[in-house]
Amino acid sequence: ELKVEQNPLFLSMQEEKNYTIYCNYSTTSDRLYWYRQDPGKSLESLFVLLSNGAVKQEGRLMASLDTKARLSTLHITAAVHDLSATYFCAVGGANSKLTFGKGITLSVRP
Amino acid sequence: DTGVSQNPRHKITKRGQNVTFRCDPISEHNRLYWYRQTLGQGPEFLTYFQNEAQLEKSRLLSDRFSAERPKGSFSTLEIQRTEQGDSAMYLCASSLALMSRVGGYTFGSGTRLTVV
Repeated sequence: ELKVEQNPLFLSMQEEKNYTIYCNYSTTSDRLYWYRQDPGKSLESLFVLLSNGAVKQEGRLMASLDTKARLSTLHITAAVHDLSATYFCAVGGANSKLTFGKGITLSVRP
Repeated sequence: DTGVSQNPRHKITKRGQNVTFRCDPISEHNRLYWYRQTLGQGPEFLTYFQNEAQLEKSRLLSDRFSAERPKGSFSTLEIQRTEQGDSAMYLCASSLALMSRVGGYTFGSGTRLTVV
């Protein structure tokens, strides 16, 4: 059974500092997704990582994938308040069901 | 097309009642998925359709849950004899089956169910 683990589950960040969060998964999979969720809202797609060594960047967020280690990292550069949200990684095949981690709640404080 | 639409946004029901939720996917998407999300957890897969065919159901989906997608367009998820443990956000997502390698779903805003 595919398991997806995220850590830490909660991270308090200081503005303008850099942080990295992690996503591990238990079995080989086609692709890895990162989603953002604001309280009471649905999921917003951030990144889809398709192959070993894939790196994608959008603004202050950069995601990478190491399929050999079954690990994805999400790096946050110079955190700002707008990044406060819960971030989920999910693993699955092309357009098949996704298995999600429990999510990491990020809170940026001044 | 404004994305995946779910109705209602919120539903409060008494234990034992039946409820039905609706999802309208992006019109050209032939795959439709239902997920359930409880507080502090990630979404859990319930079932998915390709066109009108239900291709997979999770073991989480008890006999009280049924989903349909009668004409391969909108879908309904019905819960019979609701229990307090059914309280959750029910998320619908859609995608193309033969999408480019980018893949990816579009999620709806969800229906929040509270069973009292």
